[in-house]
Amino acid sequence: GAGVSQSPSNKVTEKGKDVELRCDPISGHTALYWYRQSLGQGLEFLIYFQGNSAPDKSGLPSDRFSAERTGGSVSTLTIQRTQQEDSAVYLCASSFSVGQGYDEQFFGPGTRLTVL
Amino acid sequence: AQSVTQLDSQVPVFEEAPVELRCNYSSSVSVYLFWYVQYPNQGLQLLLKYLSGSTLVESINGFEAEFNKSQTSFHLRKPSVHISDTAEYFCAVSERGSYIPTFGRGTSLIVHP
Repeated sequence: GAGVSQSPSNKVTEKGKDVELRCDPISGHTALYWYRQSLGQGLEFLIYFQGNSAPDKSGLPSDRFSAERTGGSVSTLTIQRTQQEDSAVYLCASSFSVGQGYDEQFFGPGTRLTVL
Repeated sequence: AQSVTQLDSQVPVFEEAPVELRCNYSSSVSVYLFWYVQYPNQGLQLLLKYLSGSTLVESINGFEAEFNKSQTSFHLRKPSVHISDTAEYFCAVSERGSYIPTFGRGTSLIVHP
């Protein structure tokens, strides 16, 4: 079956514009994560969805960032009024997880966001 | 709170030489440990993981890692590297019962011919 897919692969936008990044997880995976990967930095956790539970938004860096997951499948990460410091690779991962912490995460190829 | 330290940001080695990528973590509870690899222009993929049992775990492509509880380490080793091993390697830790792993900053392994 298909892996995790993300679109677009690259996004260049102007400062102040809004952007939407999409993630299609592996079918049947109940857990979905968004991370941000900046140059020279590790993966920064942003948000976690598990089934129909309320998402864990504790990693979102500001209220300009939001995410939703429709029907327990596709997820969209929205960044409003983008700033240059938002430039990074945004990674999505999914897992067949029930919150035990031992499940392998399957990552998408990422969306490279460049804010001019 | 847990944290993960990868001591080397970059490790250059020659082909067929041995390599060790270091990972230390801090946590007050039991943990699960992972190594992920990111090849150029690709997403991260699991290389190996420690959940319980034998402290030495191996991957299908010759890497191994050993969980050392007293030193809170999970170093990754390979006795003889190939050019194709050139990639970014990330160590990750999940506390038991938690659903959000903590990743290290990554180590770039550069294998020279």
